[in-house]
Amino acid sequence: DIQMTQSPSSLSASVGDRVTITCRASQGISNSLAWYQQKPGKAPKLLLYAASRLGSGVPSRFSGSGSGTDFTLTISSLQPEDFTTYYCQQYYSIPGTFGQGTKVEVK
Amino acid sequence: QVQLVQSGAEVKKSGASVKVSCKASGYTFTNYGISWMRQAPGQGPEWMGWISAYNGNTNYAQKVQDRVTMTTDTSTNTAYMELRSLRSDDTAFYYCAREDYSSGWYPYWGQGTLVTVSS
Repeated sequence: DIQMTQSPSSLSASVGDRVTITCRASQGISNSLAWYQQKPGKAPKLLLYAASRLGSGVPSRFSGSGSGTDFTLTISSLQPEDFTTYYCQQYYSIPGTFGQGTKVEVK
Repeated sequence: QVQLVQSGAEVKKSGASVKVSCKASGYTFTNYGISWMRQAPGQGPEWMGWISAYNGNTNYAQKVQDRVTMTTDTSTNTAYMELRSLRSDDTAFYYCAREDYSSGWYPYWGQGTLVTVSS
């Protein structure tokens, strides 16, 4: 199985900050990467797919980049509702595998 | 709009079985497969397997393939996931999810079902 490693595991930031989360795959996955946001007690919500394409209804402050093994999720201006946990997922090969998560906390 | 509604929380003893349901609406059920994931506390989701709602073909994760059975009932647009010989490390939220066509990413998720396994 392909291992997905996110960094950092948590970060502290303030409203309005620019935040970047990194995801590294254990082998090349082209651009077959999705990002999800998950709030406590809720299912994950799709933010981006194909590394950089926004999901339906997702605000434009979210963006993604990368290809191969290294990917980033950027939130350009952190909003109060963005303080939660984010996961990457590769779908290059079965089984699709997720990172361990990055928790964005209030500084 | 696509909706996936799952059955309620379950508490089971070690060694027992659990069957979680996922009722789909808002699309043609047999045009898509349903995947099942689980998420233990503080961890990322883990893919458990997939079932085609068209013909019942399945693909299970190696970790659970000896203990899991996924089925569908096309008369009620419902998918089921049964996990047998439960252990304490099976305690998790269980989710059904649907891909966007056969894309590999999941825009549609059920609300989750907490399965607690106690000894």
